[in-house]
Amino acid sequence: AQKITQTQPGMFVQEKEAVTLDCTYDTSDQSYGLFWYKQPSSGEMIFLIYQGSYDEQNATEGRYSLNFQKARKSANLVISASQLGDSAMYFCAMREGRFGNEKLTFGTGTRLTIIP
Amino acid sequence: DAGITQSPRHKVTETGTPVTLRCHQTENHRYMYWYRQDPGHGLRLIHYSYGVKDTDKGEVSDGYSVSRSKTEDFLLTLESATSSQTSVYFCAIRGGVDSPLHFGNGTRLTVT
Repeated sequence: AQKITQTQPGMFVQEKEAVTLDCTYDTSDQSYGLFWYKQPSSGEMIFLIYQGSYDEQNATEGRYSLNFQKARKSANLVISASQLGDSAMYFCAMREGRFGNEKLTFGTGTRLTIIP
Repeated sequence: DAGITQSPRHKVTETGTPVTLRCHQTENHRYMYWYRQDPGHGLRLIHYSYGVKDTDKGEVSDGYSVSRSKTEDFLLTLESATSSQTSVYFCAIRGGVDSPLHFGNGTRLTVT
């Protein structure tokens, strides 16, 4: 079974609209963390936002927020007021494993294109 | 930017030859990772390290070995390169449990 599932291979969104990128995960660990990364066409991996499994509040970082629904095992990224520069690949990732031996697993990504 | 340097940035090699990719960090972080990125697969973990001489396998470790003799260096070796190992390889480091991965700029490897 996939540890991280991103069901949207590609999305097209009008500039200034909000966009939600889906991510579901599968783990039996009680303690885990969820990350979102952005990869523009230049290729670098940029960290966007983090949510710990015990965090009660949804994480927010500027225009990015993480809609964390623990019971549904989903961690969707919400980008408010999208901009042309948001066009990129977006990856969801999960940290799991016992302390000192954690590893991070990535989803297959969603390619987001912002339309002017 | 986190101090991570990958070398080389680009390499073309022939099938059957050994190849070593180097990841060097200046952050003194404990955790280091090697991923490969291929279209349709996202990033897949090859090997990772949680300390000097402490390494473990990821989901796609066959055909790869690693070594970490110093905190700052994590080497990935393809003992006998195959065309299926043509990929972009990313090194990443992480400082603590809830810390994000910080990535290097990647190495584009082509095996002909």
